[in-house]
Amino acid sequence: NAGVTQTPKFRVLKTGQSMTLLCAQDMNHEYMYWYRQDPGMGLRLIHYSVGEGTTAKGEVPDGYNVSRLKKQNFLLGLESAAPSQTSVYFCASSWGTEAKNIQYFGAGTRLSVL
Amino acid sequence: AQSVTQPDIHITVSEGASLELRCNYSYGATPYLFWYVQSPGQGLQLLLKYFSGDTLVQGIKGFEAEFKRSQSSFNLRKPSVHWSDAAEYFCAVGAAGRRALTFGSGTRLQVQP
Repeated sequence: NAGVTQTPKFRVLKTGQSMTLLCAQDMNHEYMYWYRQDPGMGLRLIHYSVGEGTTAKGEVPDGYNVSRLKKQNFLLGLESAAPSQTSVYFCASSWGTEAKNIQYFGAGTRLSVL
Repeated sequence: AQSVTQPDIHITVSEGASLELRCNYSYGATPYLFWYVQSPGQGLQLLLKYFSGDTLVQGIKGFEAEFKRSQSSFNLRKPSVHWSDAAEYFCAVGAAGRRALTFGSGTRLQVQP
């Protein structure tokens, strides 16, 4: 069982560069999420998706874009990376967005923006 | 707005000792409460959850947590810690009708031999 897989695991970018983080889940979950984790701040929701072709903003969406072209994939894009986007990014998926639905997490992508 | 406070940033315990990690939340109605564990280099794994009913819930790996409404707390406990329990622990709260979970800032547990 792969569960939730994130690629890449590590990346270093220069300010202004762009990149896309890929999240794939094999659990046929309808809902997917992108979080960022910063020291002392826990996890904060960036964007989420309630189904193929739909996305919505979370708590900290500025500077990021997302796409959900296929049910199993959720992409997070940085068009022009900034040092403030240095963080660990986690993808998660669940059966539903109701808060009772358990979220399953990937192993994370550690991004450094110089 | 929901908020979650984990007052202990870092805790060190000896192997075999008991453990209690604190979590306080702020929310008007009955919350949905979770504890997740993050081992080094890994994603978050659910330890246990509370939605309603018995206020003492059992989870995986020998962990339990108790919901105390009067104290707005959901503390995580384990009677005897193992070296493999060294990790970061996150408390999270959700609510009916809301899509996102609110996470605490985490408590890093170190286990001494």
